[in-house]
Amino acid sequence: DAKTTQPNSMESNEEEPVHLPCNHSTISGTDYIHWYRQLPSQGPEYVIHGLTSNVNNRMASLAIAEDRKSSTLILHRATLRDAAVYYCILRDGVIQGAQKLVFGQGTRLTINP
Amino acid sequence: NAGVTQTPKFQVLKTGQSMTLQCAQDMNHNSMYWYRQDPGMGLRLIYYSASEGTTDKGEVPNGYNVSRLNKREFSLRLESAAPSQTSVYFCASTVGGAQETQYFGPGTRLLVL
Repeated sequence: DAKTTQPNSMESNEEEPVHLPCNHSTISGTDYIHWYRQLPSQGPEYVIHGLTSNVNNRMASLAIAEDRKSSTLILHRATLRDAAVYYCILRDGVIQGAQKLVFGQGTRLTINP
Repeated sequence: NAGVTQTPKFQVLKTGQSMTLQCAQDMNHNSMYWYRQDPGMGLRLIYYSASEGTTDKGEVPNGYNVSRLNKREFSLRLESAAPSQTSVYFCASTVGGAQETQYFGPGTRLLVL
C-alpha cells in the first residue's frame, strides 16, 4: 500500500486559511488522493479527493503538486468546527469495488478563537 | 435516510465474554468495512466485504469474525473478548467504484475488563 506522511499536529486561528500538507512520494499513476476528517467522538467523514488537477468543493480545496508526490488540503476560512484529525489517504483507482484504505495517524488541527 | 447505523453505542464486557456488533446501511451500498481505533491512533481495518456473500481480512483480523448477513447488514463478532480489544469500532460502507467515498457510522465504544 502506498504510504502518506502528514505532520502530527497543526494550529491555526479562527477565520484564517489553513494549509494541511501531505507527502506521498511513492504514489502510483492510478492512485487517487482522498482526504477525510474526524471530528471529536465521531466517525470519519469524507472531505475531498482528486487525481491530478486541483479540486474545490464546499468544504475545502485540494491542491496537488505537478509531480503528484505531495498535496495540500486548504480550508479557506477555518472555524472552530473545523478542529479535527485530518487524514490523507491514497486509493488505487484501477481497483473497482472494495479496497483496503490505510488511514495513518493523520494531522490533529487545533483552531484558536 | 439514516446512512450507517451501529449498535450498541457503548458496551462493557468481561474478558472471555462474546458479543456481536451490528452495522446496517440504507444507501444500497455494495461494500462494507469494520475498523477499530485505539486511543490517539488512526483507524485500522479489521475485515471488509466487497459485496453480499464475500468477506476478506484486513490489517488486524485476529480475534474477530464477520458475517455479511445481506446487502444492508455487516456484523462483527468477538468470540472471546480480551482487554486488547478495548477500542472504538467503526463500520463504513461504499457504493464501490474507482473513486469510492466511505461513509462511516457513529462508532461503538467497547471496554473489555
